[in-house]
Amino acid sequence: NAGVTQTPKFQVLKTGQSMTLQCAQDMNHEYMSWYRQDPGMGLRLIHYSVGAGITDQGEVPNGYNVSRSTTEDFPLRLLSAAPSQTSVYFCASSYPRGGLLDSPLHFGNGTRLTVT
Amino acid sequence: SQQGEEDPQALSIQEGENATMNCSYKTSINNLQWYRQNSGRGLVHLILIRSNEREKHSGRLRVTLDTSKKSSSLLITASRAADTASYFCATEGDFGNEKLTFGTGTRLTIIP
Repeated sequence: NAGVTQTPKFQVLKTGQSMTLQCAQDMNHEYMSWYRQDPGMGLRLIHYSVGAGITDQGEVPNGYNVSRSTTEDFPLRLLSAAPSQTSVYFCASSYPRGGLLDSPLHFGNGTRLTVT
Repeated sequence: SQQGEEDPQALSIQEGENATMNCSYKTSINNLQWYRQNSGRGLVHLILIRSNEREKHSGRLRVTLDTSKKSSSLLITASRAADTASYFCATEGDFGNEKLTFGTGTRLTIIP
């Protein structure tokens, strides 16, 4: 079991460029989510998905798009990168129970993104 | 906005001592979870306590939950150098929208 795999580990973009951060899990988890981590801010939820074909916005969704065409994959797209999107991005997955999350999140090791 | 706030922001103790971190939150919850993050790595789940539980143990970890005060504490007993990490509390609201909201974390340093 690889768990949650994020690629790339590091990325540098110029302002205005677009890119996709990849996230894949092999645990058959229905729930997947993206967080960004900034110094002093903890982790903030960007988007999440409770199953294939279903996505929803989190706390800071602006400037990001997601899709969930398969159970395994949950890519995060930056449409037009801005310096404010410089951050560490984490993908996490879980197997929800009873209509609530109610179970631990499994995290990838993150993608460190710098936008110049 | 952050749901959970950890206190203190940073803590340094001698190896072998106990470490206590606190978390306060704002709204009603379904559960509260604690995670550890080693430098440069993803978060690792430590323990989950549900809103109808008051205390839970896992190895050297003890978590308490006081829903009337909207607070939780994480106690690590007999600390080791390997416990050096950041610790985060996270809450799932009881409104059923499947979001886990994280606090800003406590940076724990164990001095050998």
